[in-house]
Amino acid sequence: NAGVMQNPRHLVRRRGQEARLRCSPMKGHSHVYWYRQLPEEGLKFMVYLQKENIIDESGMPKERFSAEFPKEGPSILRIQQVVRGDSAAYFCASSPRQGPAETQYFGPGTRLLVL
Amino acid sequence: GESVGLHLPTLSVQEGDNSIINCAYSNSASDYFIWYKQESGKGPQFIIDIRSNMDKRQGQRVTVLLNKTVKHLSLQIAATQPGDSAVYFCAENGQAGTALIFGKGTTLSVSS
Repeated sequence: NAGVMQNPRHLVRRRGQEARLRCSPMKGHSHVYWYRQLPEEGLKFMVYLQKENIIDESGMPKERFSAEFPKEGPSILRIQQVVRGDSAAYFCASSPRQGPAETQYFGPGTRLLVL
Repeated sequence: GESVGLHLPTLSVQEGDNSIINCAYSNSASDYFIWYKQESGKGPQFIIDIRSNMDKRQGQRVTVLLNKTVKHLSLQIAATQPGDSAVYFCAENGQAGTALIFGKGTTLSVSS
């Protein structure tokens, strides 16, 4: 029973390049959440998606960041024209249903380093 | 926000001791709380959860206590083992009930 899968696990980009982070939720889960974690800090919510829909993007930076969860395939977090401040660990979580008491299960994360 | 004196960024214990990790949450309307364990280089791992209609919940070697009056959550780990060494985060459900709001982590170090 595979858990949440993320790839790549590590990603190095130069300033100005694009970063694409992928997340496959747990089997049977149709709700995906993206979080960002800066060194020595807790996770900060970015965006919540269901299949083909963005439900809550209140934590997403207004520019350069976008997310999608297509009908087929993994959820993608895309960062255009990366800057050094984008260096962080990006975690994806999934849950089977929507609701305040639905446990979110996390993947291993993608560690992005911007040179 | 955090209550001064409740949150310790680090906690060091001896193997076999009981550990208590504290957390002050921010939103009095939150009704669901989770404790996560994060080991170095890994994602947060679910430990135990509690709903606001409860004040205590027990799992295997872990107990979560909820005090809604002072907006305080604690995680108790019995007979702490070296494998328990990690950063522990509390999380509450956000205003919209979807986003989790994470507290500041506590790094637990267990020495044998």
